[in-house]
Amino acid sequence: ETGVTQTPRHLVMGMTNKKSLKCEQHLGHNAMYWYKQSAKKPLELMFVYNFKEQTENNSVPSRFSPECPNSSHLFLHLHTLQPEDSALYLCASSQGPSGANTGELFFGEGSRLTVL
Amino acid sequence: GESVGLHLPTLSVQEGDNSIINCAYSNSASDYFIWYKQESGKGPQFIIDIRSNMDKRQGQRVTVLLNKTVKHLSLQIAATQPGDSAVYFCAENRRGSGAGSYQLTFGKGTKLSVIP
Repeated sequence: ETGVTQTPRHLVMGMTNKKSLKCEQHLGHNAMYWYKQSAKKPLELMFVYNFKEQTENNSVPSRFSPECPNSSHLFLHLHTLQPEDSALYLCASSQGPSGANTGELFFGEGSRLTVL
Repeated sequence: GESVGLHLPTLSVQEGDNSIINCAYSNSASDYFIWYKQESGKGPQFIIDIRSNMDKRQGQRVTVLLNKTVKHLSLQIAATQPGDSAVYFCAENRRGSGAGSYQLTFGKGTKLSVIP
């Protein structure tokens, strides 16, 4: 039990589909993150939310749309994705904006996305 | 550009031996460094961290060394066990674009394989 739960664990979608990834953290943290993990690439930060407000958008294409209704929930809405968007999408949380004190992120187990 | 990277993509170690995983960073302004472990099918898990005002920090069977002169970070695992088999990432903490926000930037990872 990591305290950060992601659903679905696996998702296959066509390029014209619309789907969403969900993340929930039970740790009482204030900051939440979306990372993308592709084969042979470093973990790439996509979005950061602190107290429900987006504080970072790392030049992510608009076909990825995040939503943070409260400090415990984070969504990533997906539409008209490309095959190169296939990757493991990791959600994480931290007590504050990562690094204010420790920088320690708590990760979920990821949603494996395949775009056909 | 600035980056966090790893010297070796793979490392094979005999069970019981010590492992050393290396990492180079280029942003001298980073003041906090973290090592993460990612087992197959799981999200990254925090192992140990170190601040830039320290040279060495020890945990349970793990030691992190920081050499700021050459911008080098290493993770030492004592008496390596099969359960240590995973991908290990170093990460540096640097200020993000949002006020009061930080970003963890990850290296590409080193895959550690423990030979029984």
